Formats: sequence, structure tokens, C-alpha cells
Amino acid sequence: DTAVSQTPKYLVTQMGNDKSIKCEQNLGHDTMYWYKQDSKKFLKIMFSYNNKELIINETVPNRFSPKSPDKAHLNLHINSLELGDSAVYFCASSQGTSGGAVHTQYFGPGTRLTVL
Amino acid sequence: QKEVEQNSGPLSVPEGAIASLNCTYSDRGSQSFFWYRQYSGKSPELIMFIYSNGDKEDGRFTAQLNKASQYVSLLIRDSQPSDSATYLCAVHTGGGNKLTFGTGTQLKVEL
Repeated sequence: DTAVSQTPKYLVTQMGNDKSIKCEQNLGHDTMYWYKQDSKKFLKIMFSYNNKELIINETVPNRFSPKSPDKAHLNLHINSLELGDSAVYFCASSQGTSGGAVHTQYFGPGTRLTVL
Repeated sequence: QKEVEQNSGPLSVPEGAIASLNCTYSDRGSQSFFWYRQYSGKSPELIMFIYSNGDKEDGRFTAQLNKASQYVSLLIRDSQPSDSATYLCAVHTGGGNKLTFGTGTQLKVEL
């Protein structure tokens, strides 16, 4: 009955490789997000999709490409991995994005990526 | 100036005491403010949100917001060792439900 799930939980890979992280939510939300949390625990938004449409795209290298096949899934593909990509990546979801209402974001368990 | 600032701590309080966590933000147009708790190795979990000036209470937790001073705080009454975690302040800025997080304050509740 996990609300927001991510796979894999841990990912260890070599520099230069390409890898993907998958995220799924069963909350019926229409907005999903990817966050990166660095070694100093700073959590920063990378992307957001609303009903499969990209609505937030922060200053992220274009080696990172999100893909949303449907509103319950948001995957993150990373090309040519670099040492600096090592971090914990969190997926999150919320119901809606605007309208003046408060849209709480619920986080997945995270994927710890280690680039060697 | 960082968009959302928190004292990184650690903040140590004895069990049963009140823990006070503070957060300032730079965007005067910010409307909603969130407190998340993150245990080591776990994901952030929402404690509470606030969007009106004043206090909002939920059990042992009270959020306080002062938009004029661009300040939001979280009080934890009767602190317990299980409250030991990093507390993240997040501010809703701009469109698309974008949350900007502070760097978090580590709280340690000592027996």
C-alpha cells in the first residue's frame, strides 16, 4: 500500500554510464516531482510534471531527462553519469499545482545513487 | 542571500523541553510554508503547513508565521527522543507548486 515508490533503492555505477530511476504513485495525484538531496542534505527540486506535462524545469544539466508515460509514473534517466551526480534522488507527488490551494507534496523513499 | 535559511544546528534540548526551530525566507510573495521532518536515511515527511499569519497548532507541534518579518517557526512541546531528526522548512514560491527548501535544522532530544 506504498503511496510513492521508487526503484531501485540503491544504485552504484561507474562514471560515464547511463542509468534510470523509476517512480510510481498510487495516490491518484496528477503532479509528480524529482528532487536531488546532496551530501549536505540540501533538497532541491529538479523537475515537475502535471498530467504528463513538464511544468518545472530547474537549471539541471541536459544529461538528466525525465519521462512521464502517465500521471502515475515519472522516471528519471541520467546519461553520462558524473561523480557530482552522487546524491539521494527523491520522487514526490501532489494533487494539483495551483488554484490558490495548498498542495502537499508526499515523498517516496529515495534512491541513493553512487557514482564511482 | 539564500532563499530559505535555517540554522543547521545541531539543536540539543532535554527530553520534555520545548524545541524551537526557526526559518526565514526572502521572497515576500511566498504564500504557503511547510515543515517536514526527515529521519536519517529516510524521506521527508510532512509535519504541518501554515499560510496565515499567527499560530497553528497540531498536537505537540505549533507553527508560527510572521509574513511581515518573513519568518516561520516550529515549536515542539514535550520533546521526545523520537523527535530527534532534521527539520526542513519549505516555502511555496512561484508557480507549479514549487517548494524551496532550507538546509534543515538537526534536532537532538537528549534523555
